[in-house]
Amino acid sequence: GAVVSQHPSWVICKSGTSVKIECRSLDFQATTMFWYRQFPKQSLMLMATSNEGSKATYEQGVEKDKFLINHASLTLSTLTVTSAHPEDSSFYICSARVDGNTEAFFGQGTRLTVV
Amino acid sequence: QKEVEQDPGPLSVPEGAIVSLNCTYSNSAFQYFMWYRQYSRKGPELLMYTYSSGNKEDGRFTAQVDKSSKYISLFIRDSQPSDSATYLCAMSGYTGNQFYFGTGTSLTVIP
Repeated sequence: GAVVSQHPSWVICKSGTSVKIECRSLDFQATTMFWYRQFPKQSLMLMATSNEGSKATYEQGVEKDKFLINHASLTLSTLTVTSAHPEDSSFYICSARVDGNTEAFFGQGTRLTVV
Repeated sequence: QKEVEQDPGPLSVPEGAIVSLNCTYSNSAFQYFMWYRQYSRKGPELLMYTYSSGNKEDGRFTAQVDKSSKYISLFIRDSQPSDSATYLCAMSGYTGNQFYFGTGTSLTVIP
């Protein structure tokens, strides 16, 4: 299957700082990337859908000014958590869809801890 | 009503058993059905991908889709301790622009 690389795999940051998470499709071009948040023992919660070259579409209840998403190229999307708060501590996962297909491939996830 | 319903388990079986995992859904527009395996603290890994109704087999894994009943299944034969993980079902419509996930079923295979 296609490979999606997510970096970093874990990060600890102080309250009030910003953290950037990268999601790269290594062997295919991804016109659409998805960002999810997952709480322990719960399913994936879609935060936003990003298409290359256009603004991301955020799900209801997700603050777009807090969770900045950039999809500048067909192989890279970034999620920046701004003014991080302990409540933002969670597991963030990206996925990418191969253009013309419908299955999605996931990154390894990033565990964010805000102290 | 949730778009996708999945029994969270946990499910515990002895090694070598046949495991049956299931999801039901309410949206008849779903056409693509996927099963993902997620180990603790890792991203989901695509296991099976099927389109419309029917069966698909890959090694010890068989995915079944019954669109008339809005019911999908994943069977694992000769289960191994390494199969211990959370299994997520997912589905989407024609465009694939939005995926709907089940809550995941936690499976433990006991040696």
